[in-house]
Amino acid sequence: GNSVTQMEGPVTLSEEAFLTINCTYTATGYPSLFWYVQYPGEGLQLLLKATKADDKGSNKGFEATYRKETTSFHLEKGSVQVSDSAVYFCALSVNNNDMRFGAGTRLTVKP
Amino acid sequence: DTGVSQDPRHKITKRGQNVTFRCDPISEHNRLYWYRQTLGQGPEFLTYFQNEAQLEKSRLLSNRFSAERPKGSFSTLEIQRTEQGDSAMYLCASSHVGSGANVLTFGAGSRLTVL
Repeated sequence: GNSVTQMEGPVTLSEEAFLTINCTYTATGYPSLFWYVQYPGEGLQLLLKATKADDKGSNKGFEATYRKETTSFHLEKGSVQVSDSAVYFCALSVNNNDMRFGAGTRLTVKP
Repeated sequence: DTGVSQDPRHKITKRGQNVTFRCDPISEHNRLYWYRQTLGQGPEFLTYFQNEAQLEKSRLLSNRFSAERPKGSFSTLEIQRTEQGDSAMYLCASSHVGSGANVLTFGAGSRLTVL
């Protein structure tokens, strides 16, 4: 079936540190890939997306590149801020049908 | 548009009772999704609709769960004979499937506590 596996947390970083959250996927077709973020006390919201191989999604300083050869969509940010503290979810959708999410990675950024 | 609305935000019930949640999607969205999320886990897919048609239902969904979207607008999720294991956050999301990627907009969720 279609699924994503993302690195377990929690992840704790100091402000301005480099962030990587790994995500790999399994899909029977050609998925679109997403990162969603859930800030404390808020609902899930789209952070970035990529719809085909080698696409790079970016938003708010975060980036992720759709790597078909390694079936990965790792999330990166060069310099995290305290305000980036949240839970990050990798997700995929095949043929624009249902959306499947990973278990989430909690990020805490300390000043 | 005020986004995706869910009601109630929090429901406390006794085991064995029935509960119903309502979701009002973004008005121009043709897709509506239900997910369940427990603490420390990602959203678990339950079911989704395109307009009024229920296109997919998770195999994990017991027959105590039923969802409807009778006029292709709002949707209800009913849980009959609730069990303590049903305690979770129930999330609704909507999207418009056109030529681009299927981007979901989530509501704030309805938290169910079964005593």
